[in-house]
Amino acid sequence: AQKVTQAQTEISVVEKEDVTLDCVYETRDTTYYLFWYKQPPSGELVFLIRRNSFDEQNEISGRYSWNFQKSTSSFNFTITASQVVDSAVYFCALSGFLLTFGGGTRLMVKP
Amino acid sequence: EAQVTQNPRYLITVTGKKLTVTCSQNMNHEYMSWYRQDPGLGLRQIYYSMNVEVTDKGDVPEGYKVSRKEKRNFPLILESPSPNQTSLYFCASSPVPGLAGGAETQYFGPGTRLLVL
Repeated sequence: AQKVTQAQTEISVVEKEDVTLDCVYETRDTTYYLFWYKQPPSGELVFLIRRNSFDEQNEISGRYSWNFQKSTSSFNFTITASQVVDSAVYFCALSGFLLTFGGGTRLMVKP
Repeated sequence: EAQVTQNPRYLITVTGKKLTVTCSQNMNHEYMSWYRQDPGLGLRQIYYSMNVEVTDKGDVPEGYKVSRKEKRNFPLILESPSPNQTSLYFCASSPVPGLAGGAETQYFGPGTRLLVL
């Protein structure tokens, strides 16, 4: 069975601080995909990134970066110079065939 | 505009009164799915459908039914809702997982917030 653990249920930072959201996963599949979604206070789910299990290159998109380490089964997400608009719940998810979500991390960025 | 729509967005009902939440997508996706979101539990899959007339149970199917008579629509049916089905529900769609080398990105509807009294 697949499992995704986001140990940080809630994080609070002050604007402009860097913050890392942790994601640890378990799977027996050799081929799988990892995702991050953002859920702002308005409630919709916004796709951020998808990464396959064969691509361990880190990725950067503006202030967002992702660190995939297969050796530790982790796919961590860092926001650099956080802004109030980054306040949201962030979900990590794992897909071999079905999509399994972690419990989410609520990020609060204070001005 | 490519999108997944759900109706209604908010619903308050009473125990035992049958209800249907509709889901429709305009991206010609084969795969559709329903999730429920509860605090601390993330999203859990209720049912999914690989194509028309093909549906299967997810992790938490008890108390729910689905049907897939058309490619674009995937309604969620609660025959006899109970208070423990109070939740935020999301519909999602994507091309079929497993093709082109792996899982496809799922696109989510705006959510339906259900309260069962």
